[in-house]
Amino acid sequence: DGGITQSPKYLFRKEGQNVTLSCEQNLNHDAMYWYRQDPGQGLRLIYYSQIVNDFQKGDIAEGYSVSREKKESFPLTVTSAQKNPTAFYLCASTPQGQVKRNEQFFGPGTRLTVL
Amino acid sequence: DAKTTQPTSMDCAEGRAANLPCNHSTISGNEYVYWYRQIHSQGPQYIIHGLKNNETNEMASLIITEDRKSSTLILPHATLRDTAVYYCIVSANAGGTSYGKLTFGQGTILTVHP
Repeated sequence: DGGITQSPKYLFRKEGQNVTLSCEQNLNHDAMYWYRQDPGQGLRLIYYSQIVNDFQKGDIAEGYSVSREKKESFPLTVTSAQKNPTAFYLCASTPQGQVKRNEQFFGPGTRLTVL
Repeated sequence: DAKTTQPTSMDCAEGRAANLPCNHSTISGNEYVYWYRQIHSQGPQYIIHGLKNNETNEMASLIITEDRKSSTLILPHATLRDTAVYYCIVSANAGGTSYGKLTFGQGTILTVHP
């Protein structure tokens, strides 16, 4: 089955620890995105990547880092510098053919709780 | 990107049409109107988009006013599974090597009841 997978669905970490969230897609999509969602709020863009080995900061990149070594993978690291990391994290991708439609395909999300 | 204004919540009876309004009075000429929805604890799902003409697909219809300052998403026969948060987003379409960015506001919570 083609799609975007995020793992794990729920993640718990202690304060001060870095944690990496996985995002994998087998849709051959070019662009990938990371969003953060807080309760009752909309999505906010953290980072996005148009091609392998290239990525740009979104609106709330502080305290986060990403890599794009492979087209299929776009992992997000939540560092200890992120002051309020507890949130629902969503990964998305866009195929080159759909770029003019701004149609983004989303994964199921990872709910991170920092204790 | 232009901002949008949506009602916080709406109710709809199952089997009836759900009409979700969106105001985007500062929309620019090159900006499209997109609709996404998010079912509880899942990722958002693309529904439909349009520039100035009305659009219809298998999920919904999009009606854009002639001055493009507002639009309405129509779910013709709402079901219980349509209960979700609906986001109206205005964004310039991506082109060439530029990939689009979407700004999700708080959306409208649509509750479909039996």
